[in-house]
Amino acid sequence: GAVVSQHPSWVICKSGTSVKIECRSLDFQATTMFWYRQFPKQSLMLMATSNEGSKATYEQGVEKDKFLINHASLTLSTLTVTSAHPEDSSFYICSATSMEGRMPQHFGDGTRLSIL
Amino acid sequence: GDSVTQMEGPVTLSEEAFLTINCTYTATGYPSLFWYVQYPGEGLQLLLKATKADDKGSNKGFEATYRKETTSFHLEKGSVQVSDSAVYFCALSPGNFNKFYFGSGTKLNVKP
Repeated sequence: GAVVSQHPSWVICKSGTSVKIECRSLDFQATTMFWYRQFPKQSLMLMATSNEGSKATYEQGVEKDKFLINHASLTLSTLTVTSAHPEDSSFYICSATSMEGRMPQHFGDGTRLSIL
Repeated sequence: GDSVTQMEGPVTLSEEAFLTINCTYTATGYPSLFWYVQYPGEGLQLLLKATKADDKGSNKGFEATYRKETTSFHLEKGSVQVSDSAVYFCALSPGNFNKFYFGSGTKLNVKP
């Protein structure tokens, strides 16, 4: 079946650094990718939707300059958390879909980000 | 707007007990409904789905029926196992799968 790979799975870094998370679709062309954030014991909150070759659409309350999303190819989207601070520590999950949304989203295994 | 409400957890059961996790939704139009499972430290895995009213999704002994009249999609399993311990999320997507709305998740603990 379709597979979405997310890297890294866990990252720890100092406050003030920028962190890049990659999301790859391994066996299909992902026209649309999604980025979610999950706080401990809470549900997933959609952060942004990105379509290949165009700017991401951010959900209300999500800082565009803080969470930079790039979807440069049909198999790769990246989320960069800029100047990360401890409050950015969270579990970030990407998902991907294809065929103009005619298939359900497939989720990556998530990235646990810890900012010291 | 569209939303999903599911029962709060944690739910603690003994092995081989019957499981029900309630899920109700609010949506305009005709959404598709999903159950996802998340094991500790992992992402979400699609468990089952139903795309229209009266459809029954099933997988690994779990099943859920899309009930339009009660706007519900309750998850059931006749006999749970310890390995079923995880967090279960109910979700809906408007017709084109492009946007998902998740419930708050229900943690299931199954004791041997």
